[in-house]
Amino acid sequence: DGGITQSPKYLFRKEGQNVTLSCEQNLNHDAMYWYRQDPGQGLRLIYYSQIVNDFQKGDIAEGYSVSREKKESFPLTVTSAQKNPTAFYLCASSIGAGRRNYGYTFGSGTRLTVV
Amino acid sequence: AQSVTQPDIHITVSEGASLELRCNYSYGATPYLFWYVQSPGQGLQLLLKYFSGDTLVQGIKGFEAEFKRSQSSFNLRKPSVHWSDAAEYFCAVGAGSGNFNKFYFGSGTKLNVKP
Repeated sequence: DGGITQSPKYLFRKEGQNVTLSCEQNLNHDAMYWYRQDPGQGLRLIYYSQIVNDFQKGDIAEGYSVSREKKESFPLTVTSAQKNPTAFYLCASSIGAGRRNYGYTFGSGTRLTVV
Repeated sequence: AQSVTQPDIHITVSEGASLELRCNYSYGATPYLFWYVQSPGQGLQLLLKYFSGDTLVQGIKGFEAEFKRSQSSFNLRKPSVHWSDAAEYFCAVGAGSGNFNKFYFGSGTKLNVKP
């Protein structure tokens, strides 16, 4: 079955450390997204990518970086510049990022905790 | 600016009772509207969506939603709630122009189901 795989499910980061969250999809979707979820705040867009080798900042991109070298993969790096990285991170994909977007398919998320 | 409001943070209903979750949006043009459900520690699953046409849309798991343009609302309903419906529900609006359709999510409504 097609879907989105996020790994790891749980991740612990020490202060000052960079960590990378994996997101892989086999849905042949063009667009991919990273969201951060905090209790009571809904989902906030970090980065998105509409095609390979192109990505754009979302609403809360500071302290994060991404790459899109392959259509299937959209890894997110949480850098040491992100002052409050503890959160639940969700990756999503969609057929296209334009007006014909038929909604997102979400991964099962990665919970990142700073220790 | 586009926004989505879910005025109820928590709702508790008895099993077998009817359910209505409220969603109001702010968007100048015809929106694309979605409802998602999230079980604890999991990603979001699409329940239903509205693009155009009939304002009452049917989704999975027995859910339906009604788009009311005059009230800028897209409330989610279910005639008889099951214990397995306990989860968090998110309303989202797809808005934008050109070739990017950004999603705006509400802050979510947590549903508890009493036996």
